[in-house]
Amino acid sequence: EAQVTQNPRYLITVTGKKLTVTCSQNMNHEYMSWYRQDPGLGLRQIYYSMNVEVTDKGDVPEGYKVSRKEKRNFPLILESPSPNQTSLYFCASSPPNRGRYINTEAFFGQGTRLTVV
Amino acid sequence: TQLLEQSPQFLSIQEGENLTVYCNSSSVFSSLQWYRQEPGEGPVLLVTVVTGGEVKKLKRLTFQFGDARKDSSLHITAAQPGDTGLYLCAGADAGGTSYGKLTFGQGTILTVHP
Repeated sequence: EAQVTQNPRYLITVTGKKLTVTCSQNMNHEYMSWYRQDPGLGLRQIYYSMNVEVTDKGDVPEGYKVSRKEKRNFPLILESPSPNQTSLYFCASSPPNRGRYINTEAFFGQGTRLTVV
Repeated sequence: TQLLEQSPQFLSIQEGENLTVYCNSSSVFSSLQWYRQEPGEGPVLLVTVVTGGEVKKLKRLTFQFGDARKDSSLHITAAQPGDTGLYLCAGADAGGTSYGKLTFGQGTILTVHP
């Protein structure tokens, strides 16, 4: 089954304790991204990756890091979490370009609800 | 930064009523997508519209892309309780370093009462 898998689904942590949220996709997609979802703000892109070893900042990258060492995996790292990073996080992947139409249809994981106290 | 304004943010209606959700921007998008999200799940793609003026139908759902590719609407006919959920529009930016980037609206929480 084609899917994007995130772990963990729920996480409560304390301020300053480093954490990693994993994301893996089995669809051989090149493009992957991380979003955070907050009430009234919709989904905002944190970081994205166009392929292995190619990553770039999205709209709200402060306080986050990512890596893309393999095509299927795109972990999100919070080196020193703070309470304002309490949010619902989604990983997404997109299939490659189809000719003149850049296919950006995103397939999302089930989300990780992070609480930083 | 591109912005998508989605309205209304909340919609509470009775079964059988019709409704329309709007998504507006001052920016042009290469395509516009609509997603539906249920509690505890990630958003799931409903439809993508690409051409200005395009209309797509998915059973009781009708999606339209504005002629100038800056706005879109989602119309649901005879809403059912199973339509309850969060609806999100997302504009795709096809150019340059923004390859693959999606800009999301704030979302519309739809509740359909039996």
